Amino acid sequence: KNEVEQSPQNLTAQEGEFITINCSYSVGISALHWLQQHPGGGIVSLFMLSSGKKKHGRLIATINIQEKHSSLHITASHPRDSAVYICAAPLNEKLTFGTGTRLTIIP
Amino acid sequence: SAVISQKPSRDICQRGTSLTIQCQVDSQVTMMFWYRQQPGQSLTLIATANQGSEATYESGFVIDKFPISRPNLTFSTLTVSNMSPEDSSIYLCSVRDIGLYGYTFGSGTRLTVV
Repeated sequence: KNEVEQSPQNLTAQEGEFITINCSYSVGISALHWLQQHPGGGIVSLFMLSSGKKKHGRLIATINIQEKHSSLHITASHPRDSAVYICAAPLNEKLTFGTGTRLTIIP
Repeated sequence: SAVISQKPSRDICQRGTSLTIQCQVDSQVTMMFWYRQQPGQSLTLIATANQGSEATYESGFVIDKFPISRPNLTFSTLTVSNMSPEDSSIYLCSVRDIGLYGYTFGSGTRLTVV
């Protein structure tokens, strides 16, 4: 069993829809990371959060430490949001990655 | 946050050859990480590169296949040796930094072995 699990694996939505991607982890962590990977392979860090909620533009990340669960939301989704979104948790000082959610936004 | 320049961005290589991937960071960092992402899979840590000492390899990865250099606090290379088609993957470097996000990633090297 992976220590960091994401759902859904794939998500297709119409432009403008509200998107939610979920991440659960099985051990206590100091912070959780949300990453975005574009088709070329490069990864961009979106959020690092240890409690509560963070917002950057149309992206919102929340975390519930007690429930070991985090969500990434995208409001007013746009085709340029199409990418793979990955959550990651530092376990034993090394990042452990979820399997990723492939998001496709259709115009 | 640190900024990483990773080269090459992609390459197509013949089996049996080797490819060296470079990562240059714009600031001094203690720990650099090298990852492999096989098609359709998540990232897997290959090794942690520390300046002045040998890299620490994860289970399943060996120095003969993935030699790493870390000559200073801003630069590291990963070599994929004696390549086979199974080595076709995206390879990424990453650093821990004190910036907003905790970790910064390179732009990735997409390797295809034919």
